[in-house]
Amino acid sequence: AQTVTQSQPEMSVQEAETVTLSCTYDTSESDYYLFWYKQPPSRQMILVIRQEAYKQQNATENRFSVNFQKAAKSFSLKISDSQLGDAAMYFCAYRSRINTGTASKLTFGTGTRLQVTL
Amino acid sequence: EPEVTQTPSHQVTQMGQEVILRCVPISNHLYFYWYRQILGQKVEFLVSFYNNEISEKSEIFDDQFSVERPDGSNFTLKIRSTKLEDSAMYFCASRRGVTDTQYFGPGTRLTVL
Repeated sequence: AQTVTQSQPEMSVQEAETVTLSCTYDTSESDYYLFWYKQPPSRQMILVIRQEAYKQQNATENRFSVNFQKAAKSFSLKISDSQLGDAAMYFCAYRSRINTGTASKLTFGTGTRLQVTL
Repeated sequence: EPEVTQTPSHQVTQMGQEVILRCVPISNHLYFYWYRQILGQKVEFLVSFYNNEISEKSEIFDDQFSVERPDGSNFTLKIRSTKLEDSAMYFCASRRGVTDTQYFGPGTRLTVL
């Protein structure tokens, strides 16, 4: 079974600074997806960024980028120019890409709470 | 932009009562999911549904739980006899195809007294 580990329960960053959230995962599969979801106080789950394991290029979405190290099974999220609205819980998640015709679940880490200070 | 919707946003029930949580997935999506998140914990998979049947379920999804897509638009989660430990946020999610991203609804907060 796949596992996702987020070793930083809490992180803090000053507004306009850069912060990196860590995620490692364990899998025996070679083809999969990785995601970062943001959960603000409203508790809605919002997709931040997605990475396909077969792509060597790291995904970017505006101020959000990832550092995907497949051999190390590491998938960190970098937030540049942090804003107050970035304060939230961030979850790393894994999904198999095996095309068996059945729906694949997301396996989540325990989350990192990001505080943004002035 | 299409989104997943869930009703109610908050449900309070007495232990032993039945509850039905409702979701309307994005209209052209084919795969549907329920997850739950106990306060302060991680999001856990409950069940996935495709082609009008359960594809996969977790050990949490015991005989007290059932899912249904009664009319081609709604996707429901029923808890037959609620327990205190069922108190959690329940998220519905859907995705279009095998390679696509799952999109989550805003969640239903279930409180069992």
